[in-house]
Amino acid sequence: RKEVEQDPGPFNVPEGATVAFNCTYSNSASQSFFWYRQDCRKEPKLLMSVYSSGNEDGRFTAQLNRASQYISLLIRDSKLSDSATYLCVVNCVTEGGGNKLTFGTGTQLKVEL
Amino acid sequence: DTEVTQTPKHLVMGMTNKKSLKCEQHMGHRAMYWYKQKAKKPPELMFVYSYEKLSINESVPSRFSPECPNSSLLNLHLHALQPEDSALYLCASSQEAGRPETQYFGPGTRLLVL
Repeated sequence: RKEVEQDPGPFNVPEGATVAFNCTYSNSASQSFFWYRQDCRKEPKLLMSVYSSGNEDGRFTAQLNRASQYISLLIRDSKLSDSATYLCVVNCVTEGGGNKLTFGTGTQLKVEL
Repeated sequence: DTEVTQTPKHLVMGMTNKKSLKCEQHMGHRAMYWYKQKAKKPPELMFVYSYEKLSINESVPSRFSPECPNSSLLNLHLHALQPEDSALYLCASSQEAGRPETQYFGPGTRLLVL
């Protein structure tokens, strides 16, 4: 089983639609959680951290369910500029005490006119 | 300035060549990272430096040799690479290794090994 699993998509949605991405992780000792966005041939950029209480940043809402080891991202009122790959990222402390980010394979979103 | 810079942007090298990738940040971050990303795959951690000391090596082959000359610079020395090492090599930095929410990526070096 992969450490971080996502539906690869692509999700093709019309402008203005609401779209949700899901992610599951296998390591119950994972400590912190993030969504990153990666545009084609660009570097990943942090979109938002994910907290157990749920958090919102404009049109983006992230949720974490530690009991189910499940993370979600909801995008409302999709824009053409939201087209990208969305990476679910989990942070764990290694045996040596360091922090390691593990990335999911990403979910591709295409927002169309 | 929330920028991590990497040079070169593109690199083509033969299997017998020796080359180096460079990464620089001036945000005062004390943790720096090398990741490898193959096409349509997620970034995979290679090395972590914390306060200029190597803290994580994800069992990377010795043909990849990292170096952290000072707190702003991170190099990746390449020698006797294989074609399967062709990938996007991403550098990142964060305030400290325990602060992943402060991690920024550079634009990457796209490497082709012939």
